[in-house]
Amino acid sequence: SQQGEEDPQALSIQEGENATMNCSYKTSINNLQWYRQNSGRGLVHLILIRSNEREKHSGRLRVTLDTSKKSSSLLITASRAADTASYFCATALGAGTALIFGKGTTLSVSS
Amino acid sequence: NAGVTQTPKFQVLKTGQSMTLQCAQDMNHEYMSWYRQDPGMGLRLIHYSVGAGITDQGEVPNGYNVSRSTTEDFPLRLLSAAPSQTSVYFCASSYSGTYYGYTFGSGTRLTVV
Repeated sequence: SQQGEEDPQALSIQEGENATMNCSYKTSINNLQWYRQNSGRGLVHLILIRSNEREKHSGRLRVTLDTSKKSSSLLITASRAADTASYFCATALGAGTALIFGKGTTLSVSS
Repeated sequence: NAGVTQTPKFQVLKTGQSMTLQCAQDMNHEYMSWYRQDPGMGLRLIHYSVGAGITDQGEVPNGYNVSRSTTEDFPLRLLSAAPSQTSVYFCASSYSGTYYGYTFGSGTRLTVV
């Protein structure tokens, strides 16, 4: 069974708008990671937020983590067409072993 | 610095054939994993390794074997291919497991007919 579940499954916005996608997970975590996948490509690591952090920024990305609700959100501000991709959250299978991914959110940004 | 290299990029197999998907990394990463990606299913973990000589099963290990004789290489073997194994396969590696981000290969698209 998959640990993380992203919501929504698909999101369509206009360039310049903000995009928010959410991730819920089931068990306690050490950290939660977000990845991007452009069509037909491998995944690219975007950002990692540790369990003792509540918010983290990287460029136009803002990630929040609420361990009490077992949820995280990824906000992309001022979206661009190049942000069109699938976004996945991931958590650890066990103590430092391997990552388990959700099914992803497909973001489409139109100009 | 090539990162994670997967070969081949595309492969068509007949049911019952065997093959090995290759994965190599040149970053001296101890942790490596194999995933399969199917439409609407996200990525599912097949097998993983936390170092040379150490492997373990993930979420969907049936029909696949792995070995890790060196730090650099982590091949995935399909012993008797089935149409249900048609998928895109990704290999990933990390310096220190899930405490850091993983680097992914570009994938192998496998079709079993």
